[in-house]
Amino acid sequence: DSGVTQTPKHLITATGQRVTLRCSPRSGDLSVYWYQQSLDQGLQFLIQYYNGEERAKGNILERFSAQQFPDLHSELNLSSLELGDSALYFCASSPDRTDTQYFGPGTRLTVL
Amino acid sequence: DAKTTQPPSMDCAEGRAANLPCNHSTISGNEYVYWYRQIHSQGPQYIIHGLKNNETNEMASLIITEDRKSSTLILPHATLRDTAVYYCIVRVDGAGGTSYGKLTFGQGTILTVHP
Repeated sequence: DSGVTQTPKHLITATGQRVTLRCSPRSGDLSVYWYQQSLDQGLQFLIQYYNGEERAKGNILERFSAQQFPDLHSELNLSSLELGDSALYFCASSPDRTDTQYFGPGTRLTVL
Repeated sequence: DAKTTQPPSMDCAEGRAANLPCNHSTISGNEYVYWYRQIHSQGPQYIIHGLKNNETNEMASLIITEDRKSSTLILPHATLRDTAVYYCIVRVDGAGGTSYGKLTFGQGTILTVHP
């Protein structure tokens, strides 16, 4: 158990819908990262927040957005969902901006 | 971040040492070598990391060549539960670099431990 929690574990929704994935970092960790893992793309970095501020962006679509709240939990919002958004979404956290990252168990999103 | 090259798959007998190689010939002086593994769609699990000295923890040992162009992750006594995809990643640590903390995952090595 890494100490990072993600909810929900599974999410099934339809195309065009909007969903929110939640991540609680390890106690004391200030940085949160979001990654997407699809069958054809592998594990890809989406976005990083550090103490409430966006720090780095990867291959995140404009339909996706994220935020980190004052209590340091983070949410990843996915809108106008397409079939290709079906993937595992992982959250990771680290104490600082570039320390070792510890991953949560992931949320499996299925778009039908 | 430097690119890494790993064999796509490896086999190991249970109880034997598993030696997973990684080539990172373009690594920069301030880049660390990280190893993670992912067991069947679970979240990636941190194993070990190092800069230039060999490192050991309760999970594994990391051997980095003197020129830092390659490294080997050693699982000293592999068990069936070590069957996973192993990722070798190099990235800048500390406050330097514009990529901050992101990890760039390649295809990794699928390690299969046999009874």
